[in-house]
Amino acid sequence: AQSVTQLDSQVPVFEEAPVELRCNYSSSVSVYLFWYVQYPNQGLQLLLKYLSGSTLVKGINGFEAEFNKSQTSFHLRKPSVHISDTAEYFCAVTPADRGSTLGRLYFGRGTQLTVWP
Amino acid sequence: NAGVTQTPKFRVLKTGQSMTLLCAQDMNHEYMYWYRQDPGMGLRLIHYSVGEGTTAKGEVPDGYNVSRLKKQNFLLGLESAAPSQTSVYFCASRVGHSGANVLTFGAGSRLTVL
Repeated sequence: AQSVTQLDSQVPVFEEAPVELRCNYSSSVSVYLFWYVQYPNQGLQLLLKYLSGSTLVKGINGFEAEFNKSQTSFHLRKPSVHISDTAEYFCAVTPADRGSTLGRLYFGRGTQLTVWP
Repeated sequence: NAGVTQTPKFRVLKTGQSMTLLCAQDMNHEYMYWYRQDPGMGLRLIHYSVGEGTTAKGEVPDGYNVSRLKKQNFLLGLESAAPSQTSVYFCASRVGHSGANVLTFGAGSRLTVL
């Protein structure tokens, strides 16, 4: 079975500061990893994903994430945040084996990022 | 714009009432999902469908039923609503079953059960 732990439920930061949102996962098989963002009163949209290859993945709005297989982590980073980055961020995992779980996505509980002026 | 449309966006029910949430997608996606989102709980899968005429249970299926009579529509039903079903419901779809394919989400349906 797969599970995702987002270590911080809330992360407050000031504008232009760097930020890291932490995500750890548990799985007995190879996985694909995702970060989704949810702006207030909206649905989720994809920020970035890791399928294979380079462990550093770049996404939209200046975000990037690094896959660390030995530490089973997929932390999300941005060097300088804006007020418009205020949102809830979800880490998600799914088995890379297409035969298992039919590609179901398992979500973490979310991290609320609040950027203050 | 192409995407996933959920109706209604808001609904208030009394305990014991029934209702149906409709999800429609125009991307010809095979797979469709219903999630519920509760504070501090993330998204939990209620039911999903791998194609027209098929449905399957997710993590929290109790109290819900679903139907996929047409490929583009996925309905979520509450036969007898309970306050514990107060939540925001999200529908999502993807083109195929590979986990590499990205989910496309609707904007959500906020349900309150009094």
